Amino acid sequence: DSGVTQTPKHLITATGQRVTLRCSPRSGDLSVYWYQQSLDQGLQFLIQYYNGEERAKGNILERFSAQQFPDLHSELNLSSLELGDSALYFCASSKDSYNEQFFGPGTRLTVL
Amino acid sequence: AQSVTQPDIHITVSEGASLELRCNYSYGATPYLFWYVQSPGQGLQLLLKYFSGDTLVQGIKGFEAEFKRSQSSFNLRKPSVHWSDAAEYFCAVRGDSWGKLQFGAGTQVVVTP
Repeated sequence: DSGVTQTPKHLITATGQRVTLRCSPRSGDLSVYWYQQSLDQGLQFLIQYYNGEERAKGNILERFSAQQFPDLHSELNLSSLELGDSALYFCASSKDSYNEQFFGPGTRLTVL
Repeated sequence: AQSVTQPDIHITVSEGASLELRCNYSYGATPYLFWYVQSPGQGLQLLLKYFSGDTLVQGIKGFEAEFKRSQSSFNLRKPSVHWSDAAEYFCAVRGDSWGKLQFGAGTQVVVTP
C-alpha cells in the first residue's frame, strides 16, 4: 500500500458524459501528479500540482482539467468523453518535485 | 527531448534464473532514474531509484540496477526470479525540474516453472 488513495476504482460511462476522479496523496506530500495509461500511448504525464498550484502540464486535452484543494487532495475532471479516453488514470504524490513518486491503485475508466 | 527506451517488450524467464531488463535514456543533464513494477490490476510500485552517488543501487524484492552514464543505461537485474516477479516493469526518468516522469513502454516478464 503506497498510501495514495484513488476513487472510484472503476468507472463506466457513456460518450459525451463528464466524470470526476479523486486522489488523496500520502500524508505530508505536497505534490500530486496525474498520469494516463493506455494500450496505444503507454504511460503519459497529464498534469502536476504542488501545494494547490498548477506546476506543469503534459499531454492533457482541453476537455480535461484538474485542481488541488487546500487539504491537498486532487480531482481530475474529464468532460465530453470519447471512446479513446478509456484508460487507466493514475495519481501519484511526492514530498516535492525532487523526491520519488508513489502511485495510487488507479481508476479504470471505460467509455461506451 | 528526453526519452526512455526499453528495447524488450516481452521476456520469458525460468523460475530461479537470473533476469536483466534493459533501459536506455536520453537526457541532457544528470538524470533521476527509476524502476517501477506493475502487477496485473495493480498500481505502480517503486522498486528503486538513482539520483546520484553509487552507480549500483539496491531496491526492494531483491532487485538492483546499475547506472552507466557512458552507455546512457540503467538496467535492472535480479539474480534469481520468483514466480511472483511476473509483472510489467517500467523504467522512468524525471523529465524536468518539476518532477514529471517520462516512462518507457514497459517490459512484460513471464516466469515459467
